[in-house]
Parts: sequence; structure tokens; C-alpha cells
Amino acid sequence: ETGVTQSPTHLIKTRGQQVTLRCSSQSGHNTVSWYQQALGQGPQFIFQYYREEENGRGNFPPRFSGLQFPNYSSELNVNALELDDSALYLCASSLGAGHTEAFFGQGTRLTVV
Amino acid sequence: SQQGEEDPQALSIQEGENATMNCSYKTSINNLQWYRQNSGRGLVHLILIRSNEREKHSGRLRVTLDTSKKSSSLLITASRAADTASYFCATGNDYKLSFGAGTTVTVRA
Repeated sequence: ETGVTQSPTHLIKTRGQQVTLRCSSQSGHNTVSWYQQALGQGPQFIFQYYREEENGRGNFPPRFSGLQFPNYSSELNVNALELDDSALYLCASSLGAGHTEAFFGQGTRLTVV
Repeated sequence: SQQGEEDPQALSIQEGENATMNCSYKTSINNLQWYRQNSGRGLVHLILIRSNEREKHSGRLRVTLDTSKKSSSLLITASRAADTASYFCATGNDYKLSFGAGTTVTVRA
């Protein structure tokens, strides 16, 4: 176990709806990154938060947004859900905003119907 | 787009055999990491090798890095059924990890 917890574990939403996914980072870690993993693919970087500020963003549209709270937990929000948003969403925490070892949660499996 | 590419895509071996998988990447890196994923759940960090290192060991794992060829290999020795998983290489630059599509390893009892 990495100490990174994500909720919920599974979620089914309808196209056009909005969803919020949550992540609690490992104790002492101030950086949270979010990744999207489609079936049969490797994880794709969505964005990173470091000390409550967005520190970098991948090639995802603005309807993917996030927050990091003072306790370093984080939320990923996706608006106007599309069928292609169906994926495993992974949260990773690390100590520092660089390219250090990342500790992943078990993920949230989102299905958009 | 994915930075790394693992080869082979899938590997099936007998328990006790060694498993080798390779990763190629396109741009310069600060480090390269290998992760394991069981049954589509969270990724587990296995090993990190920095760009100025050539080889690293951790238990039954051996990783090599050749920055001139932009490639890395992961060797799992004396495989066990519990090693059945998908293995991903990830290059680390700036603030993000860039993953390949992974190698699926099946260890037969």
C-alpha cells in the first residue's frame, strides 16, 4: 500500500454530466499529479499540483480541472463528460514538484454511458 | 503521445525463468522509472535510474540504461506467478512522467 487513497473506486456517469474524483496524498507529500489511463494504454499526464498551484498540464481540454487543498489532498473535475473520458484515473503523490518517485493510488474507474 | 515504447507488448514465461523487457524513448531524460500494474489498478514503483547511471539492481530486478541509444531494459530473474502484471517504463522530465504502453507479462506455473 502506498498511502495514497482515491475515491470513489468505480463510477458510472452519463454523457454531458460532471464528475469529481478525489485523492488523498501520502503523508508528507506536497505534490499531486493526475493521470488518465485508457484500456490497454499507458497513463497519460493530465496535470500536477504543487503547494496548491497548478504546476504543469498535459494535452487535456479545459473541461479537465483540478484543485489542491492546504492538506495537499486533491480533486479532479471533469465537465461535459464524453464517452472517450471512460478510463482509469490515477492520482500520484510525490515529495517535490520534480520528476521524483511517484506513489500511485488504486485509481478510479470512470465509465461514461 | 507516449514518450516511451516497451517491447515486447506481451511476454509469457515459465515460473523460474527470467523475463526481459525493453523500453525506447525519444527525448533526453533526467531519469527513467519502471512501474508494475496488477489487473488495471494502481501502479507500483519498482526502480528509478538516473541519466548518469548505467545499471541498477533491486532484489530480483536489474535495470540498465543506455542514453546514447535512448533505451532501457528491465530484467526480472527467477520469475514467480506473482510477477504476472503489466510493466511500464516512464521517463521523468520537469514535472511529469511520460509512460509507454507497457509490456504484459504472464508467468505460468
